[in-house]
Amino acid sequence: DAKTTQPNSMESNEEEPVHLPCNHSTISGTDYIHWYRQLPSQGPEYVIHGLTSNVNNRMASLAIAEDRKSSTLILHRATLRDAAVYYCILRGAVGKLIFGQGTELSVKP
Amino acid sequence: NAGVTQTPKFRVLKTGQSMTLLCAQDMNHEYMYWYRQDPGMGLRLIHYSVGEGTTAKGEVPDGYNVSRLKKQNFLLGLESAAPSQTSVYFCASSYLAGVSNEQFFGPGTRLTVL
Repeated sequence: DAKTTQPNSMESNEEEPVHLPCNHSTISGTDYIHWYRQLPSQGPEYVIHGLTSNVNNRMASLAIAEDRKSSTLILHRATLRDAAVYYCILRGAVGKLIFGQGTELSVKP
Repeated sequence: NAGVTQTPKFRVLKTGQSMTLLCAQDMNHEYMYWYRQDPGMGLRLIHYSVGEGTTAKGEVPDGYNVSRLKKQNFLLGLESAAPSQTSVYFCASSYLAGVSNEQFFGPGTRLTVL
C-alpha cells in the first residue's frame, strides 16, 4: 500500500483558512485520496475524498496536484471544533484504510 | 439511527484473561472492520469482514480472532490478553468496499491489560 507523508502538527487562527498538505509520491493510478479526521477521544470521521479532480463538500475542499503526487485539504474557515488529527489516506486495496500518524491541527481563538 | 456502536466502552483485564468486544451497526452495511490505536499513532487494521460469515486478516491480526455470524454484528475476541494489547479499539463499517466508499467509525473501546 502506498504511503503518505504529512506534517506532524499545524496551527491556525480561528476563522482563517487552513491548508493541510499531504505528499504521496508513490500513488498508483487507481488509488483514491481520502481524508479522515479524529476529534479528541472520538473515532475517525470521513471528511472528503477524490481521485483526480478537485472536490468540494460542506466540510472542506480537496485540491489534488496534476501529477497526483500531493494533495491539500482546505478548511475555509477554521473553528475551534476543527481541532483534530487529520489523516491523509490512499485507499486502493478493497476495504483497507492504511492510517499514518496524521497532522494534529490546533486552532487558536 | 445509532450508527456504529461498541460494547463495552472501557475494560481492564489481567494478563491471560479473555474477552470479547462487540460491534453493532444498523446501516445494513456489508463490510465491517476492527482497528486498534496505540497512543500517538494512527489506526491499524486488525481484521475485517466482507459479509456475513466471512472474515479476513488485516495488518496486525496476531492474538485476535473475529466472527461475523450476523450481518449487523462483528465480534473481536482476545483469547489470552497480553499487556501489548492495551489499546483503543475502533470498529467501522461501510456499505461497499469500493475505493470511494467512506467508513463509519464507532466511539471506541479503551482496553487496559495489566
